[in-house]
Amino acid sequence: GDSVTQMEGPVTLSEEAFLTINCTYTATGYPSLFWYVQYPGEGLQLLLKATKADDKGSNKGFEATYRKETTSFHLEKGSVQVSDSAVYFCAREDNYGQNFVFGPGTRLSVLP
Amino acid sequence: DAGVIQSPRHEVTEMGQEVTLRCKPISGHDYLFWYRQTMMRGLELLIYFNNNVPIDDSGMPEDRFSAKMPNASFSTLKIQPSEPRDSAVYFCASSLRAGGEQFFGPGTRLTVL
Repeated sequence: GDSVTQMEGPVTLSEEAFLTINCTYTATGYPSLFWYVQYPGEGLQLLLKATKADDKGSNKGFEATYRKETTSFHLEKGSVQVSDSAVYFCAREDNYGQNFVFGPGTRLSVLP
Repeated sequence: DAGVIQSPRHEVTEMGQEVTLRCKPISGHDYLFWYRQTMMRGLELLIYFNNNVPIDDSGMPEDRFSAKMPNASFSTLKIQPSEPRDSAVYFCASSLRAGGEQFFGPGTRLTVL
């Protein structure tokens, strides 16, 4: 069935390191794609999104580009901070356009 | 707007007891979602509503779980009787339109002893 796959965590980086979290999806058509972030003890919040192929979503220094050729939406940040430590979820719009399909989440820990 | 409001934030109960979780979505949002999050299974969609009508409840684990949305500003998720394996964080989320950004509440951490 349609799904979202993310790289397994946890990912541990030093402050100012480059971050990539891989995300690939399966779908019929070209669904909207999202990255959500969950900080400790909180609910998920939208980090960025892209609604069509080749779109680049960006927010707070994070970026992700909608690649229909590789069905991917990898999350990147050039220089992570300790405050970026969180769980990151990749998601896609479902086939009915009413709901999301979430990936399993990737935990990121950034050390000072 | 205050965002999605959930209560209680923490609930500790004993096996066999009834548990009711509450959610107030963002005003004007037509969609409401209930999720469960555990370390083992990650984030799972339990049920979602559109204009107070349940659309998909295929994620509800079993008959012990039920959800209602009596009006546009209130929803409940009930577990009766509760079991230790129901221990999890339960999130409510709402969105303005189909496929739109979902706004999550802070969650209810449920512990069933």
